[in-house]
Amino acid sequence: AQSVTQLDSQVPVFEEAPVELRCNYSSSVSVYLFWYVQYPNQGLQLLLKYLSGSTLVKGINGFEAEFNKSQTSFHLRKPSVHISDTAEYFCAVRPQTQGGSEKLVFGKGTKLTVNP
Amino acid sequence: GAVVSQHPSWVICKSGTSVKIECRSLDFQATTMFWYRQFPKQSLMLMATSNEGSKATYEQGVEKDKFLINHASLTLSTLTVTSAHPEDSSFYICSARLAGVVTGELFFGEGSRLTVL
Repeated sequence: AQSVTQLDSQVPVFEEAPVELRCNYSSSVSVYLFWYVQYPNQGLQLLLKYLSGSTLVKGINGFEAEFNKSQTSFHLRKPSVHISDTAEYFCAVRPQTQGGSEKLVFGKGTKLTVNP
Repeated sequence: GAVVSQHPSWVICKSGTSVKIECRSLDFQATTMFWYRQFPKQSLMLMATSNEGSKATYEQGVEKDKFLINHASLTLSTLTVTSAHPEDSSFYICSARLAGVVTGELFFGEGSRLTVL
């Protein structure tokens, strides 16, 4: 089974400041990793994903994340945030095992609030 | 990119009635769709996996007779909340995976907010 821990439930930050949203996971098998963003009363939009290869992954809206296998982490970063980045961010994992579960396991989310 | 659409976005119903929510993949075929439930300020809880042409697979603790799922075609899955009660009020989100793609990316609908009075 997999589990995902997002260490911060809320992260307030000022506009144009850098931000890091933390995500750690637990799994007995290799996983694919994802970050999704959810704006109020909307579904989820994929920010970025790690499937294989380079551990630094770049996504949309200037976000990036780095996969660290030894620390089982996949932290999300942005060097300069905008007011429009205010949203809920979810980290998720899915096992790579062929024929295994297709289920995404989500963390509890981090509410990012960007203040002027 | 791939688009998944849910309808309705908002629905209010009386206790005891049934409500149907549709999930459509607009520009791709989806052999598998997933239904999630999200409580306020919480994460998404997978309810069931919907497979085209076969019975849905429900997660432990989800009542299959209460949450009826039908995946009649490669572009449409429906979730029917039967005899809805106030505790069924929630945000329901569907997602779909491109048929034949195993890299795990899911495309999510906009969600449907159900309020049961």
